[in-house]
Amino acid sequence: AQSVTQPDIHITVSEGASLELRCNYSYGATPYLFWYVQSPGQGLQLLLKYFSGDTLVQGIKGFEAEFKRSQSSFNLRKPSVHWSDAAEYFCAVGAQNDYKLSFGAGTTVTVRA
Amino acid sequence: GAVVSQHPSWVICKSGTSVKIECRSLDFQATTMFWYRQFPKQSLMLMATSNEGSKATYEQGVEKDKFLINHASLTLSTLTVTSAHPEDSSFYICSATSTSGNSYEQYFGPGTRLTVT
Repeated sequence: AQSVTQPDIHITVSEGASLELRCNYSYGATPYLFWYVQSPGQGLQLLLKYFSGDTLVQGIKGFEAEFKRSQSSFNLRKPSVHWSDAAEYFCAVGAQNDYKLSFGAGTTVTVRA
Repeated sequence: GAVVSQHPSWVICKSGTSVKIECRSLDFQATTMFWYRQFPKQSLMLMATSNEGSKATYEQGVEKDKFLINHASLTLSTLTVTSAHPEDSSFYICSATSTSGNSYEQYFGPGTRLTVT
């Protein structure tokens, strides 16, 4: 079964600074990878996804992520954060031909002025 | 497109009563719907997977008699928490996958906060 590790529980970043959230997965084959964002009391919004092809994936809100098979990682980046990026971020992995997802524990991002 | 709604968005019920949560795909037909539970400051835990017209598949440790799931149509799934107790208080989130295309993306609802007093 697949699993996800998000090593950073909480990250604080200054507005305008860059952001990188780490995600490591465990899965025997090529995974389907997702990053979701959750604002307080809200559902999840998909930021980006990787199924195959180009390993650098562009998403919404200026986010991007890079799939590195050798490192089993799918880290999320944003070059310049905005105060509205303060939220909970979840990395998720799915198996091929299976809709089920396994979620990481999440990383809380705080943006300071 | 791909909007999923949940109703109610929050509910308070007394211990021992049952509460039903609806999950609807508004602009697409959902092959499969998932129900998750999320405790404060924690990740989503998959409770069950439901396919239209068939019985739900529950994850290990989830009481199927307590959390009744019905997926009667391609746009509606319901979760009924029976004989609710305070420990059932949580944030319940549903998601749905589309019958069209080959995307394995799940579309999430906004969640329902259940408080059992």
